[in-house]
Amino acid sequence: AQRVTQPEKLLSVFKGAPVELKCNYSYSGSPELFWYVQYSRQRLQLLLRHISRESIKGFTADLNKGETSFHLKKPFAQEEDSAMYYCALSGTGGFKTIFGAGTRLFVKA
Amino acid sequence: DAGVIQSPRHEVTEMGQEVTLRCKPISGHDYLFWYRQTMMRGLELLIYFNNNVPIDDSGMPEDRFSAKMPNASFSTLKIQPSEPRDSAVYFCASSPLRRVANYGYTFGSGTRLTVV
Repeated sequence: AQRVTQPEKLLSVFKGAPVELKCNYSYSGSPELFWYVQYSRQRLQLLLRHISRESIKGFTADLNKGETSFHLKKPFAQEEDSAMYYCALSGTGGFKTIFGAGTRLFVKA
Repeated sequence: DAGVIQSPRHEVTEMGQEVTLRCKPISGHDYLFWYRQTMMRGLELLIYFNNNVPIDDSGMPEDRFSAKMPNASFSTLKIQPSEPRDSAVYFCASSPLRRVANYGYTFGSGTRLTVV
């Protein structure tokens, strides 16, 4: 069965500090993994997809199949990064995506 | 393209009333998804369609919930009768067939439903 676990409901860091939002998954096949971000009262937006290995707004995420993790990282957090972050997994074919419970990131000045 | 369009943005209704939420996916997207977002349960997939056909409705909580997609440009999610525990934000999302893995989903702005 597909499962996505985000162990932290809330993560609070100071501006300029490194941030890591944890995501672990369970899936027997080859997963497609994503990070979505939801700023206050806005729609969910795709932030990152593991397939592209890109850096968006300074965020990166590496798929670690051995640890079944896809943690989201940024070396220097900014106040505008404060938002809700969801890790998501699509199975083979990617037609159905399940989301983790989400982590609220709060960056303090 | 205006993106995924949902209406209404906000809906307040009394318990027992019928509620209909609407979604217009991005033109050319073959997949349409309905999600419900609550503080307690996060984002839950309710149902999804492929080429207007419901594929998986295992997330629909009860018989009070129903969804239709009469054509490629329109879908509805209906709750009848509504209950206070249905209060949530309901999101619609769409995705093109071969690009889910590459591009993820495009979400609408959501409908914030309050049942009093």
